[in-house]
Amino acid sequence: GAGVSQSPSNKVTEKGKDVELRCDPISGHTALYWYRQSLGQGLEFLIYFQGNSAPDKSGLPSDRFSAERTGGSVSTLTIQRTQQEDSAVYLCASSLGQGGQGEQYFGPGTRLTVT
Amino acid sequence: TQLLEQSPQFLSIQEGENLTVYCNSSSVFSSLQWYRQEPGEGPVLLVTVVTGGEVKKLKRLTFQFGDARKDSSLHITAAQPGDTGLYLCAPRTDSWGKLQFGAGTQVVVTP
Repeated sequence: GAGVSQSPSNKVTEKGKDVELRCDPISGHTALYWYRQSLGQGLEFLIYFQGNSAPDKSGLPSDRFSAERTGGSVSTLTIQRTQQEDSAVYLCASSLGQGGQGEQYFGPGTRLTVT
Repeated sequence: TQLLEQSPQFLSIQEGENLTVYCNSSSVFSSLQWYRQEPGEGPVLLVTVVTGGEVKKLKRLTFQFGDARKDSSLHITAAQPGDTGLYLCAPRTDSWGKLQFGAGTQVVVTP
């Protein structure tokens, strides 16, 4: 079946503009995660959605960052008033959630460049 | 967030050599995954270990989960250029499968 897809693959934006990043998880996966990865670094957890429960937003770096997941499927990560330090690769992953071992399946990422 | 340490941060070896990377924590985990990430791509799951002392083999890769389930290692035998990548360990931290990712070990295998 299809894997996790993300769009756009690359996004260049001017400082101060808002951006939206999209993630389509694997069908049937109830958990969805967003991470940020700066050049040469590990994964920084941002937010995750688990079924119908309230999302875990503990990793969001500021109130400029928000995410929603509609209908338990597609998710959108929104960054308002982008800053240069927001430049990074944003990765989305999905997993089965409860009942699974937590194996996460990642999309290819969206490379965000703020100029 | 529990302290999770991966070592070494960077490893450069010649094709055919062996290598071991480590993942250590002071916390006990119910399970742990290893991922490999190649440039321009998302991480790909290699293995999940669940039982203390467990050893799993994936071709030339051997994964071990510590007896106390606080640490893990990945050993690669006769490394090949295709093994180049960022190796990430990720213990599970809640019942929904939230993972904590380590900073990773960058492995470079030269022909």
